[in-house]
Amino acid sequence: DTEVTQTPKHLVMGMTNKKSLKCEQHMGHRAMYWYKQKAKKPPELMFVYSYEKLSINESVPSRFSPECPNSSLLNLHLHALQPEDSALYLCASSRGTVYEQYFGPGTRLTVT
Amino acid sequence: AQTVTQSQPEMSVQEAETVTLSCTYDTSESDYYLFWYKQPPSRQMILVIRQEAYKQQNATENRFSVNFQKAAKSFSLKISDSQLGDAAMYFCAYRSGGDSNYQLIWGAGTKLIIKP
Repeated sequence: DTEVTQTPKHLVMGMTNKKSLKCEQHMGHRAMYWYKQKAKKPPELMFVYSYEKLSINESVPSRFSPECPNSSLLNLHLHALQPEDSALYLCASSRGTVYEQYFGPGTRLTVT
Repeated sequence: AQTVTQSQPEMSVQEAETVTLSCTYDTSESDYYLFWYKQPPSRQMILVIRQEAYKQQNATENRFSVNFQKAAKSFSLKISDSQLGDAAMYFCAYRSGGDSNYQLIWGAGTKLIIKP
């Protein structure tokens, strides 16, 4: 089973809202990732968690706040987003950072 | 720095025929991994195939196979007996070997259209 799930599938939020994206995997993977993907572009890495510790933050603005409550869950908290933050947000996981990554279906975020 | 180039923004193929998507990369490293990912309109990024640089044998997964030419730094994907469900964006990706190398370097993608 190589399933990574993400909720919600779609999210529309205003610039003053606070919302969260959720990602879950039950494959025993110890690395989890957040990516941002604009239309017709490859994904851009935002954050990497390894063994529930944030190991990489690719200079992402503080209006994006990741959280890893346990080894199966990854959240992305959103606050005071800008319209240019509208994109597909992908979560991925892997056995470790050296192994291939498996992606979830993504959350389509629209900021109005 | 490593780079990945996919020179074909779009390709089309007749259903049941064979198509090859090209990918070239630039690196000075000897230990690395290469991947092909598929992203259908449903948006989910799906791992198609993986190749370790130290392996001479080309990876295959059912109708998908690669032609890995290490000296030429080329990693093309061949899809045999194309099916309508193969229509998607295909991304080639590179990752350095080693425990701390998590970063995937992505190509720009190739949109594959399947004609019925």
